[in-house]
Amino acid sequence: QQKVQQSPESLTVSEGAMASLNCTFSDGTSDNFRWYRQHSGKGLEMLVSIFSDGEKEEGRFTAHLNRASLHVSLHIREPQPSDSAVYLCAVSMGSGYNKLTFGKGTVLLVSP
Amino acid sequence: GGIITQTPKFLIGQEGQKLTLKCQQNFNHDTMYWYRQDSGKGLRLIYYSITENDLQKGDLSEGYDASREKKSSFSLTVTSAQKNEMAVFLCASRQGQNTLYFGAGTRLSVL
Repeated sequence: QQKVQQSPESLTVSEGAMASLNCTFSDGTSDNFRWYRQHSGKGLEMLVSIFSDGEKEEGRFTAHLNRASLHVSLHIREPQPSDSAVYLCAVSMGSGYNKLTFGKGTVLLVSP
Repeated sequence: GGIITQTPKFLIGQEGQKLTLKCQQNFNHDTMYWYRQDSGKGLRLIYYSITENDLQKGDLSEGYDASREKKSSFSLTVTSAQKNEMAVFLCASRQGQNTLYFGAGTRLSVL
């Protein structure tokens, strides 16, 4: 069964400094990776999806995927206090959301 | 744009009570999902439905029933609430292979 682990559990960065979040997965045949953000009391907002090794940029959010290392990361450029939220990594095979496995999340706090 | 509306936002129940959570979407999406989110755990899929009147079990379906009464609505029933249970239930929808959109959640507390 797929295991998705996120690190760190929590991260505090200063406004404007790069924030880097990590996600490892156990099933090397996975090919569909998404990063979501969840502000307190809100639903999930998808930030970026990536399907092949390399990087994918969506505005200030960049995902890096290395399937050989079973690792996908999210980098947030010039984070703002409004980026403070829980960030969730989700992994699946194919586009089947039915088999989407989520990590437990990283709590990001961006201090002014 | 569309929206997913979950009701109620907060739900307080008694042990053993049957509780129903509702979800409405106006995206006209075919597929709808119910996830459970517990503190310190990832989201877990309870039920999903790929079209009206369809129902598929997820990894966490035991203790729950669901109903897709029409394309725009998907309800979830906790068949017997467990004492001290606390979780957030998230409804989501998508069309085909497109992005999954989430509602704001229903927060359940059982006394």
